[in-house]
Amino acid sequence: GIQVEQSPPDLILQEGANSTLRCNFSDSVNNLQWFHQNPWGQLINLFYIPSGTKQNGRLSATTVATERYSLLYISSSQTTDSGVYFCAVLTSGTYKYIFGTGTRLKVLA
Amino acid sequence: NAGVTQTPKFRILKIGQSMTLQCTQDMNHNYMYWYRQDPGMGLKLIYYSVGAGITDKGEVPNGYNVSRSTTEDFPLRLELAAPSQTSVYFCASSYSTRDRGNTIYFGEGSWLTVV
Repeated sequence: GIQVEQSPPDLILQEGANSTLRCNFSDSVNNLQWFHQNPWGQLINLFYIPSGTKQNGRLSATTVATERYSLLYISSSQTTDSGVYFCAVLTSGTYKYIFGTGTRLKVLA
Repeated sequence: NAGVTQTPKFRILKIGQSMTLQCTQDMNHNYMYWYRQDPGMGLKLIYYSVGAGITDKGEVPNGYNVSRSTTEDFPLRLELAAPSQTSVYFCASSYSTRDRGNTIYFGEGSWLTVV
């Protein structure tokens, strides 16, 4: 099956810093989403981005489907950005969302 | 809209006991999923369903069963609980639109401990 790897696995930032999180996938996908899991375990949709670039406030994401990767950019990070960021992909011909390995982010005040 | 509702939120089971995790969604989504998340790890797909009466295995189906008799409900059954099933379980549902593709929404999770 498809493999979804995220990097880096862990990231510590000072408040106000910028960061880039990466999601690599081993096969073509129809759909890709980014999620934030907050410290209470809640999973929150950030972006639906099978291709192209989207922005939402301090967050933006880019997916280059032909090269099988997606990037999540966090600018001017805040302590509330802490948590785990997951990408999830939907492969062609299936309805199974497969999750990446996650990036654990800690933003220090 | 309540979204995706899971019950119970917390449960402690003894080895060998059985239980059912309930999941209901009120968004009329066709697709529903069960995931488990072990401590410090990512989400692994247990079972999924593309509509009432249709279910299929995910990445880690052993030790679990599901049914989908209605669009709204997708219960997960644990038979003969084992310590390896200690995990957080997430139910999710999704729909497909031209603009948003297949967007997935999660319940708040059910924390299960097997002792």
